[in-house]
Amino acid sequence: QVQLVESGGGVVQPGGSLRLSCAASGFTFSHYGMHWVRQAPGKGLEWVAFIRFDATFKLYADSVKGRFTISRDSSKNTLYLQMNSLRAEDTAIYSCAKQSGNYYYMDAWGTGTTVTVSS
Amino acid sequence: QTVVTQEPSFSVSPGGTVTLTCDLSSGSVSTNYHPSWYQQTPGQAPRTLIYNTNTRSSGVPDRFSGSILGNKAALTITGAQADDESIYYCVLYMGGGIWVCGGGTKLTVL
Repeated sequence: QVQLVESGGGVVQPGGSLRLSCAASGFTFSHYGMHWVRQAPGKGLEWVAFIRFDATFKLYADSVKGRFTISRDSSKNTLYLQMNSLRAEDTAIYSCAKQSGNYYYMDAWGTGTTVTVSS
Repeated sequence: QTVVTQEPSFSVSPGGTVTLTCDLSSGSVSTNYHPSWYQQTPGQAPRTLIYNTNTRSSGVPDRFSGSILGNKAALTITGAQADDESIYYCVLYMGGGIWVCGGGTKLTVL
């Protein structure tokens, strides 16, 4: 079955950087677009970024544009999120999600990794 | 900035029916936004319930249904059960690779 396992979260100071990973299994990773979605403490979901199956198209929420970079390595079945210039408001649980092949929705999610930005 | 609004909380009696809605700040929600609905319990990954407005994901009981009601997307739970107590999120596809998530509705079954 589809499995998505995030890692790389931690505590970082404002202005710092962190790279998150999402290990995918149970499906042909190179065939599907992927998302990062986050959930701040006590808040709802916030879509963060999307990458097309072949990495030729990437898109970001305005709140992270210019600071975060989504990428993927299909040889390792892994999705990444490079986060730079981190702010307190980036504190959240970050989850990766698999884009459905046929429709506009996310058909599988990981449980997430926690990022805390604090001095 | 596009904002998707959901009721912060809702309560339903066991066996009752409840309709949760998903509103768009910039206008009406239509099928063109491909509304999808997700259920999340604490510590768990979200579970896909509904996609493409009204298509149930595999394994989702038919007491969950999606629709467009007026100018909003809607998730209706008919015959609510105790384990339906969760947070429900809607997500809209805005086009051009942009998705927007709602703030979630915390459903209490009591």
